[in-house]
Amino acid sequence: DAGVTQSPTHLIKTRGQHVTLRCSPISGHKSVSWYQQVLGQGPQFIFQYYEKEERGRGNFPDRFSARQFPNYSSELNVNALLLGDSALYLCASSLDWSLAVWGEQFFGPGTRLTVL
Amino acid sequence: AQSVSQHNHHVILSEAASLELGCNYSYGGTVNLFWYVQYPGQHLQLLLKYFSGDPLVKGIKGFEAEFIKSKFSFNLRKPSVQWSDTAEYFCAGRSAGNNRKLIWGLGTSLAVNP
Repeated sequence: DAGVTQSPTHLIKTRGQHVTLRCSPISGHKSVSWYQQVLGQGPQFIFQYYEKEERGRGNFPDRFSARQFPNYSSELNVNALLLGDSALYLCASSLDWSLAVWGEQFFGPGTRLTVL
Repeated sequence: AQSVSQHNHHVILSEAASLELGCNYSYGGTVNLFWYVQYPGQHLQLLLKYFSGDPLVKGIKGFEAEFIKSKFSFNLRKPSVQWSDTAEYFCAGRSAGNNRKLIWGLGTSLAVNP
């Protein structure tokens, strides 16, 4: 069975650019959450989406946005990149939003973003 | 502010040694607590979780954790570690009043020498 997939695996951008990260959840999972993990720290919650609606948002600036598509895949967009946005971006899926609350979420391998 | 703190950033043990990784949280009231593990080159995965009931929670691969409300702690334990337990361990928690936002600790890197 395919797990959570994310693309691309690595990405290098320069300051001020825009980036789009993609996530495909496990088949049948309807909830997707996004996390930012800076080197040496734990993941920081960015967004949760369920049934194409935003169900939760962390303390990130408006430069960060996301959406979920009818097939439950998701995109994370970051505008006006800063050096501090360099991190591993993790996507996690769960059957529904309540199970994500219960910790039953499955993580993808992440996208390593480097901003120069 | 809500927070989760992990006591040890790097732990080195020999095989068969006992393990205890500390985790403290700052919330009051009802809390839900988790331990996640990330093996080298693999994805984050859930080790165990506490929501209510028996404060001693058993997870996968012989791990357990004890919720001690009076100490705001949720320490992870394993009586005898193996080389394959080498990984990064993360404690996470959320208050019952904030359904979607998990607060994560900084992680503890465990290296088990054969």
